[in-house]
Amino acid sequence: DQQVKQNSPSLSVQEGRISILNCDYTNSMFDYFLWYKKYPAEGPTFLISISSIKDKNEDGRFTVFLNKSAKHLSLHIVPSQPGDSAVYFCAAIVITGTASKLTFGTGTRLQVTL
Amino acid sequence: DSGVTQTPKHLITATGQRVTLRCSPRSGDLSVYWYQQSLDQGLQFLIQYYNGEERAKGNILERFSAQQFPDLHSELNLSSLELGDSALYFCASSPRFQADSGNTIYFGEGSWLTVV
Repeated sequence: DQQVKQNSPSLSVQEGRISILNCDYTNSMFDYFLWYKKYPAEGPTFLISISSIKDKNEDGRFTVFLNKSAKHLSLHIVPSQPGDSAVYFCAAIVITGTASKLTFGTGTRLQVTL
Repeated sequence: DSGVTQTPKHLITATGQRVTLRCSPRSGDLSVYWYQQSLDQGLQFLIQYYNGEERAKGNILERFSAQQFPDLHSELNLSSLELGDSALYFCASSPRFQADSGNTIYFGEGSWLTVV
């Protein structure tokens, strides 16, 4: 059962435009949602997170929006740059203090074109 | 049991002191991540190591430092402690080989630090 889903395997955006990456989840108990970026042959690196009690978090060019009623979150990148081309993973975590696990979605490959 | 071991589980220390938090990743995992969870700022990514090298850095203060040793365990050093450093510090590790889909990062139980 995939609790965190990214339904778009790929996305192509022109440089300078907005990139919107989407993620859906099924578990209403998640405490935090995180976005990771991954380049080929490297591990995922953390981008931005949002608590389940908030609906928006912004960090520079990256903004994450959370819609709990729809169990949906999105990552906006504005403006998109060629260096943003990578695979983006949505992830969610339940923090219980015991063996908490961060579960990833299947990823969306973003290609920023010139 | 996630397989990620953190020590100590609880620690109380005074302001100005220095502490070291230790993390043993899951067997075979090369990546180690440190996170801080405090009441006012939520979950904050601090730093990531991969096979002994620093790979990514987040909101880590200059008073804090970390390292990953050849046996892949990691330590987070917190110095000149302030009251605001009181938090739960999580360590996490991820599998050695990263696939392009469906990765999972496993967290330890955390180390509760109270600065008084």
